[in-house]
Amino acid sequence: DQQVKQNSPSLSVQEGRISILNCDYTNSMFDYFLWYKKYPAEGPTFLISISSIKDKNEDGRFTVFLNKSAKHLSLHIVPSQPGDSAVYFCAASAGTGANNLFFGTGTRLTVIP
Amino acid sequence: ETGVTQTPRHLVMGMTNKKSLKCEQHLGHNAMYWYKQSAKKPLELMFVYSLEERVENNSVPSRFSPECPNSSHLFLHLHTLQPEDSALYLCASSQAGGRYEQYFGPGTRLTVT
Repeated sequence: DQQVKQNSPSLSVQEGRISILNCDYTNSMFDYFLWYKKYPAEGPTFLISISSIKDKNEDGRFTVFLNKSAKHLSLHIVPSQPGDSAVYFCAASAGTGANNLFFGTGTRLTVIP
Repeated sequence: ETGVTQTPRHLVMGMTNKKSLKCEQHLGHNAMYWYKQSAKKPLELMFVYSLEERVENNSVPSRFSPECPNSSHLFLHLHTLQPEDSALYLCASSQAGGRYEQYFGPGTRLTVT
């Protein structure tokens, strides 16, 4: 059973507007969450993370929001740029041992110039 | 070389062949991982090595055999694979101990004929 879900396989956004990517999880033991970006023919690249003791973490144009009661997190990109077009993966960890990550299936973001 | 490197980038092998995938990290990390990514499925964690000891083996068939000779190198030995093993195999590394982001290599695209 999939513990991390990204229900939108794709998203298209105009350049300059906000992109919102969503992620849901089922395991209440998860306490550390990450977003990765993946371009074709490359491995996933770490973007931003958030610990369960916070509800928001911001890094430049990227902000991750965590709603623990809803078991939901989102990634906001503003303003969106064409170079942001990629597949975005949400991942979660229970923070034990060697940091085993559980990944969602990804959302393909297309930013239209 | 910087980051995490993987060789080969592409591999085609028959079901009776034996081959090995190689991963090397230049980040000073002490945990390394093998993931499998199949089409339309989330990344699946296969093996985890922390401080050169295998700490995770997620019900992976024995035709996949990992080897971690030191903290910088990780191998995945393949033998008598099946066509359904065709996928992108990703290596990652991180600091051990939880709540550290993983850094991924570019992956090896494996096709089993």
